[in-house]
Amino acid sequence: DAGVTQSPTHLIKTRGQHVTLRCSPISGHKSVSWYQQVLGQGPQFIFQYYEKEERGRGNFPDRFSARQFPNYSSELNVNALLLGDSALYLCASSGNRDRNYGYTFGSGTRLTVV
Amino acid sequence: QKEVEQNSGPLSVPEGAIASLNCTYSDRGSQSFFWYRQYSGKSPELIMSIYSNGDKEDGRFTAQLNKASQYVSLLIRDSQPSDSATYLCAVEESSYKLIFGSGTRLLVRP
Repeated sequence: DAGVTQSPTHLIKTRGQHVTLRCSPISGHKSVSWYQQVLGQGPQFIFQYYEKEERGRGNFPDRFSARQFPNYSSELNVNALLLGDSALYLCASSGNRDRNYGYTFGSGTRLTVV
Repeated sequence: QKEVEQNSGPLSVPEGAIASLNCTYSDRGSQSFFWYRQYSGKSPELIMSIYSNGDKEDGRFTAQLNKASQYVSLLIRDSQPSDSATYLCAVEESSYKLIFGSGTRLLVRP
């Protein structure tokens, strides 16, 4: 059974460019969250989508946007890239709230902005 | 600003010992708590979730929660060198997002 899949795994972009990151949740999961992790810190919440609706947004500038598709996959878009956007971008999916409820992360996309 | 605090470590224990990792959180209303393991260069892997006061055991791992003290811990029994990683404590806020600590680095010496 496939877990959370993210693409691409690595990406190098130039300042000012735009990037799109993709995520497919675990089959049956309707919720997708995005996190940014910089070296030495825990992941920081960016967005959560549930049933194609934005449920929450973290403290990130409007350059960051996301959407969720009818098949529950999701895209994270970042415009006007800055050097400080270099980080590991993580996607997590979560399912129904049962005793095994939790957030499962994909392998991440490592973005380097030069 | 709601916070999750962890000692950054490193916590060094000999192989076979019990490793004890601790976490405190600021939001008294938090209900769901998670421990993740993260190897260098990899993504976080969910180890344990805990929602009620007390202990929850899964194999060599035991999570402990004390909501009155706003404290959650993870015990790893019979520590192995393969347990060497950064352990992230996460607290769920508003039923849709996780607030993470900065992680505790664990080193298990052979």
